Amino acid sequence: GAGVSQTPSNKVTEKGKYVELRCDPISGHTALYWYRQSLGQGPEFLIYFQGTGAADDSGLPNDRFFAVRPEGSVSTLKIQRTERGDSAVYLCASSLNSLNTEAFFGQGTRLTVV
Amino acid sequence: QKEVEQDPGPLSVPEGAIVSLNCTYSNSAFQYFMWYRQYSRKGPELLMYTYSSGNKEDGRFTAQVDKSSKYISLFIRDSQPSDSATYLCAMSDTDKLIFGTGTRLQVFP
Repeated sequence: GAGVSQTPSNKVTEKGKYVELRCDPISGHTALYWYRQSLGQGPEFLIYFQGTGAADDSGLPNDRFFAVRPEGSVSTLKIQRTERGDSAVYLCASSLNSLNTEAFFGQGTRLTVV
Repeated sequence: QKEVEQDPGPLSVPEGAIVSLNCTYSNSAFQYFMWYRQYSRKGPELLMYTYSSGNKEDGRFTAQVDKSSKYISLFIRDSQPSDSATYLCAMSDTDKLIFGTGTRLQVFP
């Protein structure tokens, strides 16, 4: 596709439920990033993939959060036992190389936990 | 103290004004500096990136980096109502971007 695609664009879930957020990066981009943006804040780093492997997952807040990229393209961010504090916009970005100098973002998934 | 500090604004200016947006940072290891523009309910859009110190110009936009002062700026000349958005500075040393909180800019006709 022409840009980074994220689905769904909006997700409302009940506290305690499991959710999956999908990211389809720009074709040919080997680096993929997940960020989380709360209202009035800048995006905060969660995890970075180079190819299929998670090269840096230091931003994941706890073990309820997990992400995969099994074939080095599409990535899924998984959140178990959701909490109201997980409500935020989850952004995915991809870049051609690992230097992160030109990372292109998707429109985000707005997650609301009620 | 946050690694990257950015005045949240809002900043309101008339059309045609020169706008100055700034960020300070504390990590001297940062080498890549970016400015993103984010419209409401959209993802951030890369405007410019600069490696190390210096200036970079692209049309109406000029990015400046002063590593000795740990200070970066984005100047917008001849601002337009379509420039109304949140501007995020971001910087990195390796694989992740560290963002400022964003400055909300409104350009009124």
